[in-house]
Amino acid sequence: QITLKESGPTLVKPTQTLTLTCSFSGFSLSIYGVGVGWIRQPPGKALEWLALIYWDDEEFYSPSLKSRLTITKDTSKNQVVLTMTNMDPVDTATYFCAHLLFGDALYFDYWGQGALVTVSS
Amino acid sequence: DIQMTQSPSSLSASVGDGVTITCRASQIISNYLNWYQQKPGKAPKLLIYAASSLFSGVPSRFSGSGSGTDFTLIISSLQPEDFATYYCQQTFSAPHTFGGGTKVEIK
Repeated sequence: QITLKESGPTLVKPTQTLTLTCSFSGFSLSIYGVGVGWIRQPPGKALEWLALIYWDDEEFYSPSLKSRLTITKDTSKNQVVLTMTNMDPVDTATYFCAHLLFGDALYFDYWGQGALVTVSS
Repeated sequence: DIQMTQSPSSLSASVGDGVTITCRASQIISNYLNWYQQKPGKAPKLLIYAASSLFSGVPSRFSGSGSGTDFTLIISSLQPEDFATYYCQQTFSAPHTFGGGTKVEIK
């Protein structure tokens, strides 16, 4: 059974760096074809794809946020960490991590419950 | 980035109605198109992947079609639990952009 859970601060100040951890079970991020992605959703708005890391360490980022994002994985701990620098109130959102399968198709089949992060002084 | 445009942005329908939601990509994405359902306060759930493949456990009243740039999600007979927001997503190339969402409300 695949599960994911996001953790991190619920409140950050403008200009601070956000660090979110996705802890997962039921799969290994060292196995071919597996990835973990981050997606966010501002209150009342649409989903926004942020970043993705694959089993082979390949990383992808949203071009508009690339300069502020870093995604890393710790296979031994079954965790993926997303850092976002220079936080702004517009970054207030629920942040989700999700399991991705790479193959003939590519899709997020399992999602964490989400973590609401508010950016405010 | 590939832009994904969903229409309509919202619709009202009754239980038992058939519903069609469309998604258009700004460039050809083959069949790398997924559909998700999201209810308030919850994470999205995968409904359809690869444009027309039903994800495990998803009721057969949901179906998807399309290839290239134009895609459709059909709910054949709307059930009370189907009132939610639906998103398309392209995974042809990163960033794997989402559409703006279609909110399905009770008429």
